[in-house]
Amino acid sequence: DAGITQSPRHKVTETGTPVTLRCHQTENHRYMYWYRQDPGHGLRLIHYSYGVKDTDKGEVSDGYSVSRSKTEDFLLTLESATSSQTSVYFCAISESGGNGYEQYFGPGTRLTVT
Amino acid sequence: SQQGEEDPQALSIQEGENATMNCSYKTSINNLQWYRQNSGRGLVHLILIRSNEREKHSGRLRVTLDTSKKSSSLLITASRAADTASYFCATGNSGYALNFGKGTSLLVTP
Repeated sequence: DAGITQSPRHKVTETGTPVTLRCHQTENHRYMYWYRQDPGHGLRLIHYSYGVKDTDKGEVSDGYSVSRSKTEDFLLTLESATSSQTSVYFCAISESGGNGYEQYFGPGTRLTVT
Repeated sequence: SQQGEEDPQALSIQEGENATMNCSYKTSINNLQWYRQNSGRGLVHLILIRSNEREKHSGRLRVTLDTSKKSSSLLITASRAADTASYFCATGNSGYALNFGKGTSLLVTP
């Protein structure tokens, strides 16, 4: 998976609790992305980063925040998890220029909010 | 928002046959990419075709792009059981984001 790890790989949490997912890369790529994948919806972009401390919202950003304090780590936080945030979360990276370049995906985190 | 839409949603073929899946999109694009996802895994990039290209090959994969019809097709020749996966098209226009379709689920039986 191109030097991308995600942690945890599986998590079950209760409604209302905060959750942080971590994406770590060893490729020194500038761009990092968080997607969620749900049946019937495909992949949808939550947030992305185009450099350290540079982030922006994607299509489904409500209820999520991100932080990137160093090149290799991109954190996704659910401040107060809801059942609608039960999903599989994928991190991706690309080395340059946004959508004109291929993205490399991590193995995913399966999150269940009960 | 999601722009690419794959067709068919599901496809079942036998080993050795060719598999064709299509992607349609709505607005102008700079490039279109195809990805594969094996069950329980992350997506793997297959091929990128730019808006000024009409056809591209990579091994057993052939991708075409028709910008006048806003459509692309992915052909996998001589399919193998290992090709069983979901296939996604992703479009990019401006900015950093890729817009993924919902995917075609391909089953290749021995």
